[in-house]
Amino acid sequence: DTGVSQDPRHKITKRGQNVTFRCDPISEHNRLYWYRQTLGQGPEFLTYFQNEAQLEKSRLLSDRFSAERPKGSFSTLEIQRTEQGDSAMYLCASSFQGASNYGYTFGSGTRLTVV
Amino acid sequence: LAKTTQPISMDSYEGQEVNITCSHNNIATNDYITWYQQFPSQGPRFIIQGYKTKVTNEVASLFIPADRKSSTLSLPRVSLSDTAVYYCLVGEEAAGNKLTFGGGTRVLVKP
Repeated sequence: DTGVSQDPRHKITKRGQNVTFRCDPISEHNRLYWYRQTLGQGPEFLTYFQNEAQLEKSRLLSDRFSAERPKGSFSTLEIQRTEQGDSAMYLCASSFQGASNYGYTFGSGTRLTVV
Repeated sequence: LAKTTQPISMDSYEGQEVNITCSHNNIATNDYITWYQQFPSQGPRFIIQGYKTKVTNEVASLFIPADRKSSTLSLPRVSLSDTAVYYCLVGEEAAGNKLTFGGGTRVLVKP
């Protein structure tokens, strides 16, 4: 296992289009987190899963954002009707349940540009 | 969650020691201090975590005074590859979904 993998690394889309990003966590990790990072800011928590259950989604930025983890393995983050303000890096992280903060592994992110 | 304040940026030269101080006046009794490092176009990576006094690992040292209202991350003999953003986080030892990043300190190491 080589860590958390995110695909694609870069995505350019036109305003109004839908986009979907994929995250493959470390296989033994049962928790998966999505973050958004805009230029010059730290990562901002969006949502997380424990196995296939989405335990926190109130921080998703709007109802245009949704995430799934259907089999408790990989996860997808979808943004519908993209806006220019959605341009950011979308980061995925995984961990064991209850892991100390050193147990979080982040992926390299998907950079979204909305034109 | 305790609010943290750290410098926006710092410049240094290769071979020097870099010290980044983070203020967290409202730290709670159960809070830990955790530092992450982020290189451009990569996700954050854990560096070090501590509760009090001093913690050292192969990458850095973390100094925490008795009142725990601040902490200092020390990077010994930096190289160009240490150019990154460094985040100070204060919260639970296993923060889970509460892992909260601030603006970070952008460290530039010059030759």
